[in-house]
Amino acid sequence: NAGVTQTPKFQVLKTGQSMTLQCAQDMNHEYMSWYRQDPGMGLRLIHYSVGAGITDQGEVPNGYNVSRSTTEDFPLRLLSAAPSQTSVYFCASSYVDRGSSNSPLHFGNGTRLTVT
Amino acid sequence: GQQVMQIPQYQHVQEGEDFTTYCNSSTTLSNIQWYKQRPGGHPVFLIQLVKSGEVKKQKRLTFQFGEAKKNSSLHITATQTTDVGTYFCAGNAGKSTFGDGTTLTVKP
Repeated sequence: NAGVTQTPKFQVLKTGQSMTLQCAQDMNHEYMSWYRQDPGMGLRLIHYSVGAGITDQGEVPNGYNVSRSTTEDFPLRLLSAAPSQTSVYFCASSYVDRGSSNSPLHFGNGTRLTVT
Repeated sequence: GQQVMQIPQYQHVQEGEDFTTYCNSSTTLSNIQWYKQRPGGHPVFLIQLVKSGEVKKQKRLTFQFGEAKKNSSLHITATQTTDVGTYFCAGNAGKSTFGDGTTLTVKP
């Protein structure tokens, strides 16, 4: 199984450019999410989805859009890149939570984005 | 909103020494998960704790969940160089919130 696949691995953008970070999973997970990781700041949730056609904002959604047209794919769009969006982006998926337990998150390998 | 604080931010130990990281929440958690991220890698799930006062062990790693379900700890006995990385807790009170992590370095 491929698990969670993210592309590209590295990307350099100029301020104002737009781009889409791709995320695909083959585990039939209902839940998918995007995090950004900055040095010393842990993982911050950008957007998440509990199923096809359903998306919601996380902790730091500004400047990013998502859509979930299929169970497998959850792309993250940067509308107009800014230097503050320089970060490592992780996509993660899991089964939808049941009761008091959470299904473990499966992370992709990450996309390292630099905005100049 | 829900906040999960993790201390210390960094820990440097000599190989063979013990290591502990602590996770504290401002709200009662339904469960807590621990992840490990190797340098340059992605977070990998280690374990989940659900019950008040729960203790789980994985070889040299011991995980505890506080009685009030507001704090947790990860203890590594006799660290090895393979233990290097950043350890994150993720607390859930409706939506998972990650702590900032504790980065462990081990001197051989």
